Amino acid sequence: DGGITQSPKYLFRKEGQNVTLSCEQNLNHDAMYWYRQDPGQGLRLIYYSQIVNDFQKGDIAEGYSVSREKKESFPLTVTSAQKNPTAFYLCASRRGPPLSEQYFGPGTRLTVT
Amino acid sequence: LAKTTQPISMDSYEGQEVNITCSHNNIATNDYITWYQQFPSQGPRFIIQGYKTKVTNEVASLFIPADRKSSTLSLPRVSLSDTAVYYCLVGDEGTGRRALTFGSGTRLQVQP
Repeated sequence: DGGITQSPKYLFRKEGQNVTLSCEQNLNHDAMYWYRQDPGQGLRLIYYSQIVNDFQKGDIAEGYSVSREKKESFPLTVTSAQKNPTAFYLCASRRGPPLSEQYFGPGTRLTVT
Repeated sequence: LAKTTQPISMDSYEGQEVNITCSHNNIATNDYITWYQQFPSQGPRFIIQGYKTKVTNEVASLFIPADRKSSTLSLPRVSLSDTAVYYCLVGDEGTGRRALTFGSGTRLQVQP
């Protein structure tokens, strides 16, 4: 049963704490992505990785960090430097051209108080 | 990256055909046009992708005029379950050199 898993579905943290969101895929996809979505808004790209051990900043990378040590895994750390971390976080992967649609995980809703 | 413009919202009734148009005036030669559907608290789901003319699959059609400065997603005979947000993306998916940008999308509300 192939797909993308994100855990946990809901996450609560106190302000000032770093938190790591998990994203795992068994689709053998090369590219992986992290997006943030705020209520009623579209998705904004945080980081993406086209290949293992390489990643690029997206539009809103400040306050976030990632690693891509394995093809299957692309964890996102929300650091205390992120001013408004409460959001819905979505991870996606993409096989690559020519059929290169993104496959999304179920998302993690992070609440920081 | 090519910027896209879509209507913020649309309303329809069950059984009707819905057409959502997306403008992308500065689309580049290598850019593809991709549409996604998103339900609340879920990740977006790929609907259809095209480069020019017309593409059809089991759920939708995508019409792209010759100048490629716009595209229209057509949903035949919508049902209540088609109520969702629809995103139009334009980018170099073909080579994967760039990540795409999701705009705010079009919120489609289907009434009984």
